[in-house]
Amino acid sequence: KNQVEQSPQSLIILEGKNCTLQCNYTVSPFSNLRWYKQDTGRGPVSLTIMTFSENTKSNRRYTATLDADTKQSSLHITASQLSDSASYICVVSADDYKLSFGAGTTVTVRA
Amino acid sequence: ETGVTQTPRHLVMGMTNKKSLKCEQHLGHNAMYWYKQSAKKPLELMFVYSLEERVENNSVPSRFSPECPNSSHLFLHLHTLQPEDSALYLCASSQVLRQNSPLHFGNGTRLTVT
Repeated sequence: KNQVEQSPQSLIILEGKNCTLQCNYTVSPFSNLRWYKQDTGRGPVSLTIMTFSENTKSNRRYTATLDADTKQSSLHITASQLSDSASYICVVSADDYKLSFGAGTTVTVRA
Repeated sequence: ETGVTQTPRHLVMGMTNKKSLKCEQHLGHNAMYWYKQSAKKPLELMFVYSLEERVENNSVPSRFSPECPNSSHLFLHLHTLQPEDSALYLCASSQVLRQNSPLHFGNGTRLTVT
């Protein structure tokens, strides 16, 4: 069964600090992995997409990594801002249109 | 403006009511989806339409009935729901029905069944 596990479930950080979110998956075959950001009361918005051959990809203060051998991905947030408070969802795609979603990590940034 | 608009944003209904959720996408996409999001759980795929044809009914109870009259509009008709159906219902669209085609989500309808 294709599964996506995210950790931690939630975390609290101070503004300006960094944090790293983890995603482990068992989806096979693997096509791509996306990180989505979901603000409270809004729908998810795509941050990055990574394919099998990509190890690192950055989008402003967000840096995603992928290790396709160990089936792990991480999302690093640098110099966090209050607007980074959200749920971050890891989504893995197999060879069809069906996606496997993680339950998300809720990040709270405090001043 | 996300390009995918859902109405209403909030809905409270009794178990005997009939209501409908509406989704409209302004992106020219060919595929549309309904997802259910419950607290602390992964998104659950409910229905998928491609070029107005249903291609997926993910074991969803018949009290949920989708309708896709054209490629820009998607409805979810609700009747005799249960309290456990309370959740955030998200509509999404993608350019085509393929694994590399990113999803664009609406902001959801927060449904409460009393």
